[in-house]
Amino acid sequence: DAGITQSPRHKVTETGTPVTLRCHQTENHRYMYWYRQDPGHGLRLIHYSYGVKDTDKGEVSDGYSVSRSKTEDFLLTLESATSSQTSVYFCATSVVRISGDTQYFGPGTRLTVL
Amino acid sequence: AQSVTQLDSHVSVSEGTPVLLRCNYSSSYSPSLFWYVQHPNKGLQLLLKYTSAATLVKGINGFEAEFKKSETSFHLTKPSAHMSDAAEYFCVVSVNTGGFKTIFGAGTRLFVKA
Repeated sequence: DAGITQSPRHKVTETGTPVTLRCHQTENHRYMYWYRQDPGHGLRLIHYSYGVKDTDKGEVSDGYSVSRSKTEDFLLTLESATSSQTSVYFCATSVVRISGDTQYFGPGTRLTVL
Repeated sequence: AQSVTQLDSHVSVSEGTPVLLRCNYSSSYSPSLFWYVQHPNKGLQLLLKYTSAATLVKGINGFEAEFKKSETSFHLTKPSAHMSDAAEYFCVVSVNTGGFKTIFGAGTRLFVKA
């Protein structure tokens, strides 16, 4: 395992509340990613980071923001949660960001927005 | 444009029989191709990857996949299924397009019957 943890592992929240998910890695990988997993869609990239304080949007970034103040931590924030953001969220890391590089995944956070 | 299609959403086999999980891709660039496995309530784990070296790729737990450019396929096989192979499997394509893009298939759930 690449030493990736996510917290919390499960969360139930109400529409309109802010939610922050945390990803922590011990591998000193430069790149970190947040994905959401929904049935029939595989994984879709929300945001990624290519270094401390360096982030960029993925394909489904609306309604999400991220921050990376340390190499090992990557936070995903839902400013005002909606029911459409009910999903399983995965954090991943990689050494480089080129075709062929392996991504290492955390165990996931199951988020339910009521 | 790049895309990946997993041709079966569910596959059911008996223990000891061969496994075939099918994946077709579309890419205007030379792709790297991956298969990841996800066991229940776990993150994704790399099974194997193709990065333009040998077209027959061997992975962990007896799985292998063959890159067939003429058929744009990267099917995953295993000669003899084990109960522990029951999981969801994701085919992934990544390309350098001037930027970088990773696309996940929708997943194939493998059931193994005793």
